[in-house]
Amino acid sequence: DVQMTQSPYNLAASPGESVSINCKASKSISKYLAWYQQKPGKANKLLIYDGSTLQSGIPSRFSGSRSGTDFTLTIRSLEPEDFGLYYCQQHNEYPLTFGSGTKLEIK
Amino acid sequence: EVQLVESGGGLVQPGRSLKLSCLASGFTFSNYGMNWIRQAPGKGLEWVASISSSSSYIYYADTVKGRFTISRENAKNTLYLQMTSLRSEDTALYYCARRGLGTYAMDAWGQGTSVTVSS
Repeated sequence: DVQMTQSPYNLAASPGESVSINCKASKSISKYLAWYQQKPGKANKLLIYDGSTLQSGIPSRFSGSRSGTDFTLTIRSLEPEDFGLYYCQQHNEYPLTFGSGTKLEIK
Repeated sequence: EVQLVESGGGLVQPGRSLKLSCLASGFTFSNYGMNWIRQAPGKGLEWVASISSSSSYIYYADTVKGRFTISRENAKNTLYLQMTSLRSEDTALYYCARRGLGTYAMDAWGQGTSVTVSS
């Protein structure tokens, strides 16, 4: 199984700042990584798939990048609605596996 | 508008069974693969099972293989998860999620139905 190591566990930032969340796969997953946002009372939202493809309707301040088995979600110019939990997930092979999550909080 | 609405959760004793449903609307259900994902209280997301659009391909997490069965009725726009031999560690919020076209990422999620396994 592909293990996804996500960091940091917690992240505090202010509106307007930029942040990065990282995810490392235990073996090659090609480009097949997705990022999701989870907020209380709302359906989980797909932000990025295939490592860097922005899902329709997602603001362009969200971006994804890849270097080998290392993936990064970058959020530029944080908006108040961006605070919440973020998960990465490899979608290259079964079993599908998720990272442990990053809680993005307001500083 | 794409909607996925889960139902069927509740409190169940260890060893008993429960069947979850997910009613889809706002898209052509029969064209999409579907997934069940769960989240134990205070924990992260865990993939449970996947089924292709025509039910030809089905996959399970090792933690539920042999106990859970994923199925679908395309005529009723409904996804199911039959859960048997339930254990306390199956306690979680269960989400259904749509697989995006041309990707195994999940592009639409329901809000979940809660399953508690306890005596």
